[in-house]
Amino acid sequence: GQNIDQPTEMTATEGAIVQINCTYQTSGFNGLFWYQQHAGEAPTFLSYNVLDGLEEKGRFSSFLSRSKGYSYLLLKELQMKDSASYLCAVMDSNYQLIWGAGTKLIIKP
Amino acid sequence: GAVVSQHPSRVICKSGTSVKIECRSLDFQATTMFWYRQFPKQSLMLMATSNEGSKATYEQGVEKDKFLINHASLTLSTLTVTSAHPEDSSFYICSVMTGNTEAFFGQGTRLTVV
Repeated sequence: GQNIDQPTEMTATEGAIVQINCTYQTSGFNGLFWYQQHAGEAPTFLSYNVLDGLEEKGRFSSFLSRSKGYSYLLLKELQMKDSASYLCAVMDSNYQLIWGAGTKLIIKP
Repeated sequence: GAVVSQHPSRVICKSGTSVKIECRSLDFQATTMFWYRQFPKQSLMLMATSNEGSKATYEQGVEKDKFLINHASLTLSTLTVTSAHPEDSSFYICSVMTGNTEAFFGQGTRLTVV
């Protein structure tokens, strides 16, 4: 079966750095996405990785290792507004998105 | 990117009635749109893939007679929850994919059935 695992909840301090991990087992791979979702709102796109390595975009970076079925989202200089759920999703061989359950990130002052 | 508009954002309806949710792709001709449902603290669950001019493809376990999908044009897909019951209360979200690298979401619709 297809499976995406990410931690349920994480807590970090304002100004610090946090890494949210995602491991996956899917039938085929056509890219991995990270989305941010604030409570009661639709997800918003953060990053897309299809090749191994690190993609940096401002305070957010995303890493992919296809051989390990592993990705992480790195958030730097955390701000209170970063408190949200972070969803990992993998596009399988049929170009369908398989979603993780999301990681709720709590930022403390 | 694509701009996706979903309406209404919130709706409360009585048990047994039907509710229609609209999803519009404002600046992208979407031959395919996706409908998701999300229960509290859970992931997005794909309900169906809406195909312009043809029947929608429903995921296993989703009742096609209960969740009617119409994709009559390249910019509009509708989801109608028929004979709604309290257990249908959820957050419904539509999305459009531009190519294979990015999904754009509507604002979502919070449905409460009382």
